[in-house]
Amino acid sequence: QMTQSPSSVSASVGDRVTITCRASPGINNWLAWYQQKPGKAPKLLIYSASTLDTGVSSRFSGSGYGTEFTLTITDLQPEDFATYYCQQANTFFAPKFGGGTKVEIK
Amino acid sequence: EVLLVESGGDLVQPGGSLRLSCSASGFIFSSNTMTWVRQAPGKGLEWVAYISSSETTIYYAESVKGRFTISRDNINYSLFLQMNNLRVEDTAVYYCARDMAIGGLNIWGRGTMVTVSS
Repeated sequence: QMTQSPSSVSASVGDRVTITCRASPGINNWLAWYQQKPGKAPKLLIYSASTLDTGVSSRFSGSGYGTEFTLTITDLQPEDFATYYCQQANTFFAPKFGGGTKVEIK
Repeated sequence: EVLLVESGGDLVQPGGSLRLSCSASGFIFSSNTMTWVRQAPGKGLEWVAYISSSETTIYYAESVKGRFTISRDNINYSLFLQMNNLRVEDTAVYYCARDMAIGGLNIWGRGTMVTVSS
C-alpha cells in the first residue's frame, strides 16, 4: 500500500513543495517518483528513493527509507506544475503507485 | 533515439478481447525487463504486468490476473498484452515502459487507448 499526501497543493513560482509517500510494509529504498503533465506519459524523476534520473533538474530531490519518503521541489518553476506519483518499485512485491499529488498554481 | 510505441487500442464490448503491441527501438530490447501500466480517464496510474528479459519471470496485478497475458518477441523488439474477458473498468490508456533492474520505469511510450463499452 502506497499512501501519498497531499492529494493537491497550491503553490507559487519560487516556492518549495514537499510531497510525502508512505509505504506499508516497508520497501527499503525501492521507491521511484514520476512527473506527469496532462495528456502526456509519466516521466521518471527519481529512483532508488534519492537518485535523480539523467537530465532531471537538481531542483528535485528525494529522500527516505523503509516506510516514509519525500519528494522536494525547490524554487518551483512554471514547468513544474504537474501531477506527481510515487511508486513502490520492487517488482517482486506487485509495484503500486501512490494516488498522486497535483501541484497547482496559486 | 530510445523509443516505445504502443498500438492496438480500440473500442471493444464487455467480454471481448484485444491485443496491445509495443514496438521498441534505440536500445537492446532483449536485455531489458518491461512493464505495462494503465491509467483510467481522470485517474491515477495502475501497474498492470511485468515480464523479465527472457520471459522467465512474469507478474500481474490482481485486477487482471487470469484475464491478461504479457509476452514479448525479443527478435522483433516487441512487447504484447493480450487482454481477454474485458470489463468496463479496464477502460484506460495503456502504457508500455522499460523497467530498470534497480527499480523505476525510465522509458515510456505515449500510450494507447482501450475503451470497453457496450
